[in-house]
Amino acid sequence: DIVLTQSPGTLSLSPGERATLSCRASQSVGGRYLAWYQQKPGQAPRLLIYDTSTRATGIPDRFGGSGSGTDFTLTIIRLEPEDFAVYYCQHYGSSTTFGQGTKVEIK
Amino acid sequence: QHQFQESGPGLVKPSETLSLTCVVSGGYITISDYYWAWIRQSPGKGLEWIGSIHYGGSTSYNPSLKSRLTISVDTSRNHFSVKLNSVTAADTAVYYCARQRKFYDYLTGYSPAYFDSWGQGTLVTVSS
Repeated sequence: DIVLTQSPGTLSLSPGERATLSCRASQSVGGRYLAWYQQKPGQAPRLLIYDTSTRATGIPDRFGGSGSGTDFTLTIIRLEPEDFAVYYCQHYGSSTTFGQGTKVEIK
Repeated sequence: QHQFQESGPGLVKPSETLSLTCVVSGGYITISDYYWAWIRQSPGKGLEWIGSIHYGGSTSYNPSLKSRLTISVDTSRNHFSVKLNSVTAADTAVYYCARQRKFYDYLTGYSPAYFDSWGQGTLVTVSS
């Protein structure tokens, strides 16, 4: 199975700054089958991005996804107060696995 | 828009069977475009996909849980269920049910994809 490694574990930033989150796969992810989720404390995860770069319904355009092969990135171009949360990547296709998460915290 | 409500015992004894049901409202479970999935999250930890089922009966299970796992669907009651037997403390987690998009890949055929709608989750504790 593909193992997803997210980095950094924690990202300390201020509102208005740019956040860049990495998700690296142990082998190539065919077909760009990668999604990103946001999870706030006490809540279920929420789908942000699927197919590497397609925003889910209702997701603001400050969220963007990119990448291919084994390296994928979630970018939040200007952090809003409500964006401080934990973010997970997920591979799908031949199997389904999640990364371990990146926490974006207020600096 | 589908909505989900997980239900089942919040406390299960070690070696027994964990059973949860997800009642789907706001739409039928017999929509071909979706799988119906279970995901869990141990306290303070990340997400772990448990398994998925299509209303037609095809299933996909996490290999690490497959030997203990059964996921079923009841289209007449618009719900799906998970049973995990021989549980240990390591199975203590918040269990989420979710809708999972179906997609087609020319190499693998139809497969479950990303999770686009989630229940609020239910905590199951394994303890004597």
